[in-house]
Order: sequence, then structure tokens, then C-alpha cells
Amino acid sequence: GEDVEQSLFLSVREGDSSVINCTYTDSSSTYLYWYKQEPGAGLQLLTYIFSNMDMKQDQRLTVLLNKKDKHLSLRIADTQTGDSAIYFCAEIEPGGYNKLIFGAGTRLAVHP
Amino acid sequence: GAGVSQSPSNKVTEKGKDVELRCDPISGHTALYWYRQSLGQGLEFLIYFQGNSAPDKSGLPSDRFSAERTGGSVSTLTIQRTQQEDSAVYLCASSLGSVGRGIQYFGAGTRLSVL
Repeated sequence: GEDVEQSLFLSVREGDSSVINCTYTDSSSTYLYWYKQEPGAGLQLLTYIFSNMDMKQDQRLTVLLNKKDKHLSLRIADTQTGDSAIYFCAEIEPGGYNKLIFGAGTRLAVHP
Repeated sequence: GAGVSQSPSNKVTEKGKDVELRCDPISGHTALYWYRQSLGQGLEFLIYFQGNSAPDKSGLPSDRFSAERTGGSVSTLTIQRTQQEDSAVYLCASSLGSVGRGIQYFGAGTRLSVL
């Protein structure tokens, strides 16, 4: 079945690292995505990783993929108040037409 | 345009009325998607268009929902006889194609409130 799971809430102090975790159930997923949603806004693609990769780094963002455990994580280094948002993990529905299956989203709160 | 454009940004309607939501995808993107974001259901896929192929309507929740895409560009999502449970943010996305990365770029959404 298709199910993407995320913890719902994460609170961090400004300047610390944030780690947002996601588990997915379909081992044939090819691409996995992280989207960010700020209040009142649409979804902004942050980064994606292909299933043959273990890690991808993009400035303050690091994505780790553990295919064996079907676990994906997003690490944000030096978290800023502007990083406060909801973060969605998503996978492509297998055999579909790039239909995205989203997790429920993790609300990241950054406090001074 | 530079990004996916959706209109209106907010729509308030009375129960039983019909509404039309519009999506203008990124120029050159052949694939277009509609999703719905609601408190109880999270983000759900509604419908997908790819070029001239028949759309994938598998996510439409009832026959009150329909969508069309004219000329392979602008899309309209129509909800007939709206119900309170239709209240949600309707998001449109477009991508270059339906294979490979197929990165989807989202519009800001239309917030629909059914009174």
C-alpha cells in the first residue's frame, strides 16, 4: 500500500540543526521529494533524491535515504526563523504518472 | 508565466452553488495536476492531465467534481452543488512531463470556503 508517514511537529532553537524524518512503504519509489509550505502559500520544492543515492547535500540542506528501512530524512543546518514552515515528504506513486503521495507534513517551529 | 498561477486565491460560496477554479501552468509544461489540501485528509491527488492523453481522474472524490484542460494549457476545476466538506485549499501543479524526475511546481492555491 501507499503510506508516507512523518512526525507532526518539531521545535528547535535558532542556530541548531533540524532533522525531519519520513518513512515510506513502497520500495520501488524512484524519486523522493521534500516540499516546504509557508503559511498561506503553496508548496515550494526544496530538494529531491533519486533512489540510487544515499545522500544529497544542497547548501544547508542534507537529505539522507535509507532504502533498506524506507527512511528519508531532511537535515537543515543552522536553522533560522525563516525556516519555520510545514515540511512535506512525498513519493511518486509506483506505476503512476508522477502522482505524488504526501505525508501529513511536519510543522517546524524555530524559537530564539 | 514565471510560475503556476491560480485564481481566485480565495473563494467563498454558499452550499449548493457551483464554483470554478482556474490554473495557468508554467509555459511549456505538458503535465498538469490538481491536488486538494484539507485538515482531515492532508494532501490528496485529484486529477492529472498529460498532453492529449485521457486524464487520470482516479482521485476525484465524487461526480460533482470535474476538470478540463483547454488547448493543453489552462485548466479549470469545477465543483457542482458544493458541500461544506468541499472546503479546502485546491492546489495546481505542472511539470515538464510524466517520466523521470517530473518535478512538480505548485501554485499558491485557491482557498475554498463553503458556507
